[in-house]
Formats: sequence, structure tokens, C-alpha cells
Amino acid sequence: NAGVTQTPKFRVLKTGQSMTLLCAQDMNHEYMYWYRQDPGMGLRLIHYSVGEGTTAKGEVPDGYNVSRLKKQNFLLGLESAAPSQTSVYFCASSAPGLGYEQYFGPGTRLTVT
Amino acid sequence: GENVEQHPSTLSVQEGDSAVIKCTYSDSASNYFPWYKQELGKGPQLIIDIRSNVGEKKDQRIAVTLNKTAKHFSLHITETQPEDSAVYFCAASIAGSYIPTFGRGTSLIVHP
Repeated sequence: NAGVTQTPKFRVLKTGQSMTLLCAQDMNHEYMYWYRQDPGMGLRLIHYSVGEGTTAKGEVPDGYNVSRLKKQNFLLGLESAAPSQTSVYFCASSAPGLGYEQYFGPGTRLTVT
Repeated sequence: GENVEQHPSTLSVQEGDSAVIKCTYSDSASNYFPWYKQELGKGPQLIIDIRSNVGEKKDQRIAVTLNKTAKHFSLHITETQPEDSAVYFCAASIAGSYIPTFGRGTSLIVHP
């Protein structure tokens, strides 16, 4: 099993450009998440999904949109990138259970100039 | 909502020493406390967890303790090695919630 994969690994955007980050998991997990990680700020939840066709806002959703058309995929979109969105983005997935252990992808480093 | 405080933000130790990272949480309904390790350039990975019906859990050189009354839990690493160098995150979640609250992380540096 590949676990959680993310595409691309690195990306540089100019202000105002758009892009989509792709997350895929092969563990048949119901729940998927998008986080951003900034120095000293830990992991902040952007959006999450509790199942195919559902999405919900997290702590820092502004400037991002998501879609979960298939259970195994969770897409994060930036419609008009801003320098404040320069960050490392992590996707994670989890399954219903006592603790909801999260499985993280390797991350996407995004720079907006 | 839940609030998790993690200290210290940076911890520097000599190889062979012990390291302790502490977290406090605010919501007494939280009952699951995982610890994640993030190596450079990688995503976080679960290394140990504890549930509220247990006071301590060990796995080789790492252990986690939980004090429900004081609402704090700690990660203990004994006989540290250079490969323990990483960022460690604590988290807390409430029964039935699939959204954990993370601490801000601790950068552990183990000097050879």
C-alpha cells in the first residue's frame, strides 16, 4: 500500500495564479483532511471531509476550496494565490475508530511570489 | 473548543540523555492523546498514543503519561539517539470527534 500520496511535491506560483493539490489514499479511509504547516504555528486545519461528496471548513479555510468526488481523493484548490499562502501543505486520512489515528502524506511545499 | 499547549518549543539534549515534552489540554471530555513525530521533509507519523482510561504507556525507549486531573500529558524519550531528532506534536481529541487539536510542536535536537 502506498498510504497517502500528494501531488505535486513542490510548486512555485505567482500571485493571482491558481492551482490544485491532489491527495490520494489507498486505505479506504472515510475521513480526509488538509492542513497547512507554518513555522511556530503547528498544524492548522484548512478543510476536511467525512465521506465522499462531503466537505467542511476547518480553522483556516479562507482562500481555499476543496472537493471529494471520489472516496480515495481529496483536492485542495487555490483560486487566486497570495503570498500568505506560502506554506507546506499536508493531507491526512483516518478511519472511524476509538482514536482516529491520522495518516499523513509527505507534504507539498508551495511558494507564492 | 479544545486548546492544547505544548512546551518547550525547542529542546536540545546530548545523546544518551532523556527528553521530556509536556502538553496541557483544556477540555475534560478529551479522551485520546496521540503523539506524532515529523522527520525533516516528511509528514508526521504516529509514534505512541494513550487513552484516558490509562495512566502510562511504554514502547521501548518512549513512554507517555497522562494526568487527567491536571489535564496534562507528557512524552518521555530515554537514551536519546541522533535519529530521535525531529519535530514532535501532541494532540487531543474528544470521544466521537474525528478532528484532533494539535499542539504547536517541539523541535528536539539530539547532539552526538
